[in-house]
Amino acid sequence: EAQVTQNPRYLITVTGKKLTVTCSQNMNHEYMSWYRQDPGLGLRQIYYSMNVEVTDKGDVPEGYKVSRKEKRNFPLILESPSPNQTSLYFCASSSGNWETQYFGPGTRLLVL
Amino acid sequence: GENVEQHPSTLSVQEGDSAVIKCTYSDSASNYFPWYKQELGKGPQLIIDIRSNVGEKKDQRIAVTLNKTAKHFSLHITETQPEDSAVYFCAAKYDYKLSFGAGTTVTVRA
Repeated sequence: EAQVTQNPRYLITVTGKKLTVTCSQNMNHEYMSWYRQDPGLGLRQIYYSMNVEVTDKGDVPEGYKVSRKEKRNFPLILESPSPNQTSLYFCASSSGNWETQYFGPGTRLLVL
Repeated sequence: GENVEQHPSTLSVQEGDSAVIKCTYSDSASNYFPWYKQELGKGPQLIIDIRSNVGEKKDQRIAVTLNKTAKHFSLHITETQPEDSAVYFCAAKYDYKLSFGAGTTVTVRA
């Protein structure tokens, strides 16, 4: 089944404790992206990657890091999480035309 | 950058009635306008899209219209059903960037 998977689905952590949210797609898509969803703000792009080893900042990159060492994986790293990073996070992937984006199920993060 | 505004933020309709959601965008270079539906506990899923060289597109009970001059586009859902209850997002794409509206929570009353 073609899909985007994210882990973990739910995470509670404390300020300053490094964490990684994994994202994997099995559709051989070149393009992958991370979004955060907050009430009243819709989805805002954090980082995106056009292919292996090619990443760029989105609208809200502060406090986040990403890497793209393999085509199928695009982990999101929070080196020192803060409470304002409490949010619902989505990973998405897209084929070469970068139009139809397939979203993962989401990761709900709470930073205390 | 691109700014997408979406209205209304909530919409309650009687089953069988129509629902309309409107979005405006700021960057005239945007050329692709998708609509996503997000059900509770799930990721957004594409339901229909339209490109800048097309004025209207239909798929069964849903349709999207685009007015490039006015820089606005709309989603129309006819004969609404309970399964249409969800959050709907519009978006506008320019280059490698997809900017989303804030979302509309649609509730279909039985």
